[in-house]
Amino acid sequence: DIQMTQSPSSLSASVGDRVTITCRASQSISSYLNWYQQKPGRAPKLLIYAASTLQSGVPSRFSGGGSGTDFTLTIGSLQPEDFGTYYCQQGYSSPFTFGPGTKVDVK
Amino acid sequence: QVQLQESGPGLVKPSETLSLTCTVSGGSVSSGAYYWSWIRQSPGKGLEWIGHIYYTGSTNYNPSLKSRVTISVDKSKNKFSLKLTSVTAADTAVYYCARVQDIIVVIDAAQGVEWYFDVWGRGTLVTVSS
Repeated sequence: DIQMTQSPSSLSASVGDRVTITCRASQSISSYLNWYQQKPGRAPKLLIYAASTLQSGVPSRFSGGGSGTDFTLTIGSLQPEDFGTYYCQQGYSSPFTFGPGTKVDVK
Repeated sequence: QVQLQESGPGLVKPSETLSLTCTVSGGSVSSGAYYWSWIRQSPGKGLEWIGHIYYTGSTNYNPSLKSRVTISVDKSKNKFSLKLTSVTAADTAVYYCARVQDIIVVIDAAQGVEWYFDVWGRGTLVTVSS
């Protein structure tokens, strides 16, 4: 199985800050990497697929990058509604696996 | 807009079978454009993909659960279902159903298939306890 790791495990930032979350795969997954946002008591919501393609309806302050084994999710200007936990997921090969999550608090 | 809704018992006894159903509305499980998946989330193991099914009945399961999992589809009722046998406390989790997209990605003339989950149900908590 492809193992996914994320850093940091949690962060706290102020409104307007630029926030970057990193995801690393245990082997190359090309650009087959997806990002989700989850709020407490809710299902994960797809933000970005194929490493950098924004899902329809997702604000443009979210962006993704990277390829191979190292990827980033950037929130260009953090908003109060961006609190939650962010997960990466590799879509390269079955079994599809998720990272452990990065919890984002807004100060 | 497609919506998914999980249903089934919230409490299952150890060694018994967990059974859940996902009802699809605003879309069709018979659409050849998508697969249909089950994913679970527990505090100890995070998000775990269980498996998925195509409308033809073709399935793909996580090897870690394969011996205990069956996913089936009922096209007439626009539903798909999960059965997990011989459950233990470790199977206690929130279970989600989700729609799966598989897209062709071309990078530097190399083509491949990328898989992601674009629509999720709200999730249902299943507790395994006597």
